[in-house]
Amino acid sequence: ETVMTQTPLSSPVTLGQPASISCRSSQSLVHSDGDTHLSWLQQRPGQPPRLLIYKISNRFSGVPDRFSGSGAGTDFTLKISRVEAEDVGVYYCMQATQFPHTFGQGTKLEIK
Amino acid sequence: EVQLVESGGGLVQPGGSLRLSCAASGFTFSSHWMHWVRQAPGKGLVWVSRIITDGSYTNYVDSVKGRFTISRDNAKNTLYLHMNSLRAEDTAVYYCVRGTRGWNGVDVWGQGTTVTVS
Repeated sequence: ETVMTQTPLSSPVTLGQPASISCRSSQSLVHSDGDTHLSWLQQRPGQPPRLLIYKISNRFSGVPDRFSGSGAGTDFTLKISRVEAEDVGVYYCMQATQFPHTFGQGTKLEIK
Repeated sequence: EVQLVESGGGLVQPGGSLRLSCAASGFTFSSHWMHWVRQAPGKGLVWVSRIITDGSYTNYVDSVKGRFTISRDNAKNTLYLHMNSLRAEDTAVYYCVRGTRGWNGVDVWGQGTTVTVS
């Protein structure tokens, strides 16, 4: 099983300031098809998760461009260029390269 | 609008059984792999199972193998999760999630249904 490790687990951020979350996998997420199936999801309080980023850096439909993803192999990053109040919640990375699919522990983003 | 609506959750005793359903609408259900993901109270997300488009192949996380069975009825646009030999640690919100097309992953999530084993 591929273990996904996120840092930090909690991130207090000032409104309008940037935020960054890291995700490291225990093995390479490069699939035999050549793609890297690493996604980022946001879960607002009391809501189901929502897809933000897929294949490392592709924004899903309707996701604001202040969200961006980067990385390769085993190290990945989600960045929010300017945090807004609606960004409060828990962020998860997820790998879908291997079964079982696995998630990071989650990073709680809160406003200072 | 793409929608996934779960049902069938509830309170069940340890060792009991439950069947979850997920009604899909707004997209061609038979063209998508489908998944179940669960979240224990106050905890993170755990992927549970996946079924391919025609239902002929499935995957499970080790902790539910031999106890849970994922299935689908494409004529009814419905996904199922049959859960047997339930344990306290199966207590969670269970989400029905659509698999993506063109890349591996999940995109649309239902609101979830709560299973309590006690």
